[in-house]
Amino acid sequence: SQTIHQWPATLVQPVGSPLSLECTVEGTSNPNLYWYRQAAGRGLQLLFYSVGIGQISSEVPQNLSASRPQDRQFILSSKKLLLSDSGFYLCAWSDGQFNEQFFGPGTRLTVL
Amino acid sequence: QKEVEQDPGPLSVPEGAIVSLNCTYSNSAFQYFMWYRQYSRKGPELLMYTYSSGNKEDGRFTAQVDKSSKYISLFIRDSQPSDSATYLCAMNFQGAQKLVFGQGTRLTINP
Repeated sequence: SQTIHQWPATLVQPVGSPLSLECTVEGTSNPNLYWYRQAAGRGLQLLFYSVGIGQISSEVPQNLSASRPQDRQFILSSKKLLLSDSGFYLCAWSDGQFNEQFFGPGTRLTVL
Repeated sequence: QKEVEQDPGPLSVPEGAIVSLNCTYSNSAFQYFMWYRQYSRKGPELLMYTYSSGNKEDGRFTAQVDKSSKYISLFIRDSQPSDSATYLCAMNFQGAQKLVFGQGTRLTINP
């Protein structure tokens, strides 16, 4: 069966510091991968998605970036965090043939 | 106008009640419809998945799609306190790489 991991689970970072969040998927190959952000009490905002290694589509212009160095690894990064980057970051995967997405446990980021 | 509209609630009902959660959408090309359940501080989990119009039942949960009205519903029978969560609808069409999500409805079942 497929599983998706995210780490860290929680993170508190000062404004201006760098960020690296990691997501890995097990039990599937060539998945589509997604990064979402969910602000408190708000819906899901799609940040990036990837259909293959090195292929990244950006949905929202901002100070975040994403990379996919391996088939089942997806990384979200920032060089300098802003207060507005605080939120709940979710990674998801889908099989390219089907439409459902499956979410990881999330990373709660607080920028102070 | 958003592509998918969902009342954010909050919705509070007594235990045992029938709950109806709804989404409307504007894009008639949507074919695949999903409901996710998200507990506080957790990732969303896929609850129901339906294709095109009609009903799908899974235990206490029934998903209903009315494409003519561009309206989907999730019914929860014999609601339990453990059903307290935020419910998000999502949808897309064949070949789409992305899902379009509703804002989510926060539901509380009171014992």
